[in-house]
Amino acid sequence: AQSVTQPDIHITVSEGASLELRCNYSYGATPYLFWYVQSPGQGLQLLLKYFSGDTLVQGIKGFEAEFKRSQSSFNLRKPSVHWSDAAEYFCAGARGGGNKLTFGTGTQLKVEL
Amino acid sequence: ETGVTQSPTHLIKTRGQQVTLRCSSQSGHNTVSWYQQALGQGPQFIFQYYREEENGRGNFPPRFSGLQFPNYSSELNVNALELDDSALYLCASSFEGAYEQYFGPGTRLTVT
Repeated sequence: AQSVTQPDIHITVSEGASLELRCNYSYGATPYLFWYVQSPGQGLQLLLKYFSGDTLVQGIKGFEAEFKRSQSSFNLRKPSVHWSDAAEYFCAGARGGGNKLTFGTGTQLKVEL
Repeated sequence: ETGVTQSPTHLIKTRGQQVTLRCSSQSGHNTVSWYQQALGQGPQFIFQYYREEENGRGNFPPRFSGLQFPNYSSELNVNALELDDSALYLCASSFEGAYEQYFGPGTRLTVT
């Protein structure tokens, strides 16, 4: 079965520190992969996406993610976290050719000032 | 350009009742997907509508049904509400099944 796993439920980082949120996927073929952010009381905002090609993708708000086929991972990174980045982050996948998303359970990011 | 809008924002219903949630897609988008997000969980795909036809369904019972109208707006209907139906219901729109979906703010449904 297709699945997306986010091993970390909560992560706390200090403002200015680097960030890496983990995401692992299980699909028969390379899926389309996405990272979304959700602030309290709001819907989901797309940060970045990977379909094919360059395995390092750049997104909005200074985020990037690297697709690693050998590790079935698509980790989200940011070199320097801002207090406004505190939110819940979701990794999602879709079977190639489709756009019905399968989401992970999310990682809640807390930023300490 | 108007984004995805959903109504109502919040809703409280009693077990056994029926509810209708509404979604207006982003301008130019003809595909609407619905997701259920239970507290502390990631969104789960309910179903998708494309050109007024259901175009895929997740693991949800038939009491979850939907409609899409000629203007591409959509409704999610849930019959015989259960306590476990309490969740945030998210609508997302896209163009021609494109992979980038744009989400609305959601409708918070509480079933008592």
